[in-house]
Amino acid sequence: GAVVSQHPSWVICKSGTSVKIECRSLDFQATTMFWYRQFPKQSLMLMATSNEGSKATYEQGVEKDKFLINHASLTLSTLTVTSAHPEDSSFYICSAPGGQGGGSSYNEQFFGPGTRLTVL
Amino acid sequence: AQTVTQSQPEMSVQEAETVTLSCTYDTSENNYYLFWYKQPPSRQMILVIRQEAYKQQNATENRFSVNFQKAAKSFSLKISDSQLGDTAMYFCAFMNPDIIQGAQKLVFGQGTRLTINP
Repeated sequence: GAVVSQHPSWVICKSGTSVKIECRSLDFQATTMFWYRQFPKQSLMLMATSNEGSKATYEQGVEKDKFLINHASLTLSTLTVTSAHPEDSSFYICSAPGGQGGGSSYNEQFFGPGTRLTVL
Repeated sequence: AQTVTQSQPEMSVQEAETVTLSCTYDTSENNYYLFWYKQPPSRQMILVIRQEAYKQQNATENRFSVNFQKAAKSFSLKISDSQLGDTAMYFCAFMNPDIIQGAQKLVFGQGTRLTINP
């Protein structure tokens, strides 16, 4: 199946700094990617939809200026947590629908391995 | 808006037993997809099984099968001959496949933590 990677797998930063997380589709093109946030022992909450060539679509309650999304190419989306604070500490996961030239069905989504962010 | 509900926060069974995880959902759509994802301790999301709403036949994948009741909006997962490696969080998810409406978002349930005991 299609592969999605994330980098870094974990990051620790100081409060007030910005952190960038990359999401890459390795063997298929992804004009759309999704970013999720998952707190310990909880479900995945969709934060935003990343669209190549246009602005990201944010879910209600997600601060656009706080979580900057850039879909730089057909295989790369980045999430930047700006001025991070301890409450931003979480597990961030990206996903991309298949079928975007990757030979798999469009209704299947492929998930990255996630990035654990800890803000001190 | 679609909602997905998993009413069992935790379940525990002995190895080799059969276990059923419950999931209900709410939607006004007629065409949609339902999924069960597994999230082991590594936290990598793994697709377990998928069901298209227009198919009456229940999906099966080896030891995993679903009981899809469209009228009742129920989508349970049965794991037969459970194995230690089945220990994980299991999430039920709903997708509206309408590409025209935009990207196909997944709506997840709260999850069920399944433990298989030796």
